Amino acid sequence: AQTVTQSQPEMSVQEAETVTLSCTYDTSESNYYLFWYKQPPSRQMILVIRQEAYKQQNATENRFSVNFQKAAKSFSLKISDSQLGDTAMYFCAFIAGTASKLTFGTGTRLQVTL
Amino acid sequence: DAGVIQSPRHEVTEMGQEVTLRCKPISGHNSLFWYRQTMMRGLELLIYFNNNVPIDDSGMPEDRFSAKMPNASFSTLKIQPSEPRDSAVYFCASSLRGLRYEQYFGPGTRLTVT
Repeated sequence: AQTVTQSQPEMSVQEAETVTLSCTYDTSESNYYLFWYKQPPSRQMILVIRQEAYKQQNATENRFSVNFQKAAKSFSLKISDSQLGDTAMYFCAFIAGTASKLTFGTGTRLQVTL
Repeated sequence: DAGVIQSPRHEVTEMGQEVTLRCKPISGHNSLFWYRQTMMRGLELLIYFNNNVPIDDSGMPEDRFSAKMPNASFSTLKIQPSEPRDSAVYFCASSLRGLRYEQYFGPGTRLTVT
């Protein structure tokens, strides 16, 4: 079975600082895809970043980057220069190459403060 | 593009009533997904269509739930009869290339069954 674990229910960071959100997953497959989605108070889910397991290079999107450790089955999200608009729930998601189901973690609520 | 459109945004109904949720995916997207989000269970994939054909409906909780996609620009999720435990936010999402790529989510329908 595929599982995704986000061990930090809530986190807080000051504006302009850097924060890292943790995600671990479990699979026996070698080919899979990982995602971080953001859900702001408006409720709409927005893709932050996507990583393909066969790519060794960590994905980066502007202030967002991941630390993908395949052997450790870890996929953490780093947010640099945090902004108030980054306040949201962040969900890690995973799908194995042969699967037809995307599994989401339970989310981390991030609060960016002044 | 207007993005994924869902209607209604809010629905309050009494137990036993039929509820129909509607979704218009982004034009040109060939995959459509229905999700349910609750505090207890998080975000769950209910059903997934590819080119209007249901691919995986294993997430549909009970026979009371049904989904259709009569054409590429419209899908419905129906609950009949509704129960209080169906109260949740229901999201529709679409994608150009299926589960392994970015999904664009609609704003969700908040369903309350009393």
